Amino acid sequence: DQQVKQNSPSLSVQEGRISILNCDYTNSMFDYFLWYKKYPAEGPTFLISISSIKDKNEDGRFTVFLNKSAKHLSLHIVPSQPGDSAVYFCAAMGQTGANNLFFGTGTRLTVIP
Amino acid sequence: EAGVAQSPRYKIIEKRQSVAFWCNPISGHATLYWYQQILGQGPKLLIQFQNNGVVDDSQLPKDRFSAERLKGVDSTLKIQPAKLEDSAVYLCASSPGHNYGYTFGSGTRLTVV
Repeated sequence: DQQVKQNSPSLSVQEGRISILNCDYTNSMFDYFLWYKKYPAEGPTFLISISSIKDKNEDGRFTVFLNKSAKHLSLHIVPSQPGDSAVYFCAAMGQTGANNLFFGTGTRLTVIP
Repeated sequence: EAGVAQSPRYKIIEKRQSVAFWCNPISGHATLYWYQQILGQGPKLLIQFQNNGVVDDSQLPKDRFSAERLKGVDSTLKIQPAKLEDSAVYLCASSPGHNYGYTFGSGTRLTVV
């Protein structure tokens, strides 16, 4: 039962253009959403997050948008840089005592110089 | 601050053998997680500790997997006996609390042959 879904396994973008990574979720109890970036042979690193009380959060080149009614969030990277090439995981956390993260399957972003 | 330390980085064992992984979380982080990431999938929670108590181990295959966090600091995850399908990266993460992004270690890549 995949509660967080990333339907695009890969994405290629030209350097300087916008990268848009999408994520859908099914559990309406999720109240906190995060994006992680993962390079090969390393653990995922936290990138940006958003609470369900907001619809947008921005941090430099990275912006996350949340559409609660559609149970959809997206990560925008502008402008994309070759160093952004990595696997991006969407994750969600719910209002439970466990506070564990549910991850999507990841999207591999390749930024072409 | 020092990150989450994990060892070993790589391990190759034969099926039916046993293996143990070690994790030292960020100092002061009360919550510790073990995740399993199978190739091509997102990380999946195995067990969550709050200090030295188990909060959630519902996804841990308890017939072969065990974990402990003595003294509420470092933790070990053991598999005995290992199966071929246990081949994965085992990630340890720690967090100071709810609605905070986790910090992941680099993981241990286990190959069962």
